[in-house]
This record gives sequence, structure tokens and C-alpha cells, in this order.
Amino acid sequence: IQMTQSPSTLSASVGDRVTITCRASQSISNWLAWYQQKPGQAPKLLISKASSLETGVPSRFSGSGSGTEFTLTINSLQPEDFATYYCQQYNTDWTFGQGTKVEIK
Amino acid sequence: EVQLVESGGGLVQPGGSLRLSCAVSGFTFTNYWMIWVRQAPGMGLVWVSAINTEGTRTNYADSVKGRFTISREDGKNTLYLQMTSLRVDDTGVYYCARLSGAAADRWGQGTLVTVSS
Repeated sequence: IQMTQSPSTLSASVGDRVTITCRASQSISNWLAWYQQKPGQAPKLLISKASSLETGVPSRFSGSGSGTEFTLTINSLQPEDFATYYCQQYNTDWTFGQGTKVEIK
Repeated sequence: EVQLVESGGGLVQPGGSLRLSCAVSGFTFTNYWMIWVRQAPGMGLVWVSAINTEGTRTNYADSVKGRFTISREDGKNTLYLQMTSLRVDDTGVYYCARLSGAAADRWGQGTLVTVSS
């Protein structure tokens, strides 16, 4: 299963609402996770099962979708949110998207 | 506190071997599937291998199948990745991670593997 994220890079300002899209090459039901990775750090799980927010993750993060199309939305972007975000399917083995870098505009 | 600590990375020549270890603490190791994920320099995350709770089922990415072996030693709370016939494109940071509902909810800090002559 191939995972395609868009855009690859996103320029935004503090306070903006940003949306990242992830498409699967075949249906994965809701077996999708979103991760945040900052330079020099391990990835951090934000959302599992497409829309389930992990404990401790701010509520400005939300996920939606099922089947083949999914979105990660960050409401009111904060300085600590500038990072790279990856989607990952776990319907069949595990496959990551290529990542979306959220940078300061 | 949940902790995963990788070790065993380093510089190895093409065709060489290396064994990575991931020592875990702060949770019941035997209750969780575990995976290895790698990241080439400046690139994205790539799943490498997974192992079930009993160590009886293993999965591998096509790129490492037949060359890498994942295993676990429950008495030592340790996950392993035996890597053989290493290639230049195996270079990267290798992370171990715990699976919860098949998403990776806890990660180690990673260990760097460099394959170069």
C-alpha cells in the first residue's frame, strides 16, 4: 500500500489553520496514524485510528477520513508545531507517507 | 516511565553485519508487538520489520527481506535487529518502537548505522 502526502512543504504563520492530506493507494479503513517529528528527535504519535487523539496531544490537532483519504488539521498553529508530519497506514504491514514539512512563513 | 534505548549502531563496510539492540523498560514487554523503523539522512521514515508478542511471527519490508532478522528476548526486555549483507542504502538512523493497536506509540531515540567503504 502506497501513501501519498500533500503538500510536501507548507509555509504558514502562527495562528493559521493548516491541513495536510494523505491518500492511500487502496482502502485502509481507519487504520491510519499521524506523527510529528522535530529535527534530531524521534517521531511522536499524535493521532491513531484516523481521528483518535493521543493523550497529552493538544486539541488543536485533529484527524479525519476513512478508506483512502485522510486529513490532519492543526487549528491555530503554535511555534512548537513547526515540524515534519507523517501519515502511516497499518492496515497491511506499515507504510509511511513521504512527510510534510510545516515551516514558518 | 516508558523507555526504549537503542544501541549497536556504527560504521560498517558494505557486505558487513551489525546487530542492533533495543532495551525497554517501564512497561510489560511481552504484551506488545515491536517494530524497527529507519530514516536515511534528510529523508522520511521507512518501516523495516515487526515482531509479534510471542516472537513467532515476523514481517519485513521487501528491501531487507532475507538480509535482516528481527527477534526478541523477553527475559532481557530486549528487541534485536540482526543486519547482514549491508548496503550503502541501509545507512540511516534506526528506531525501535512499541506498537499499541498497531500504531507506534513509544519510540527510542535511534541509533545511527553508516554503511560505507
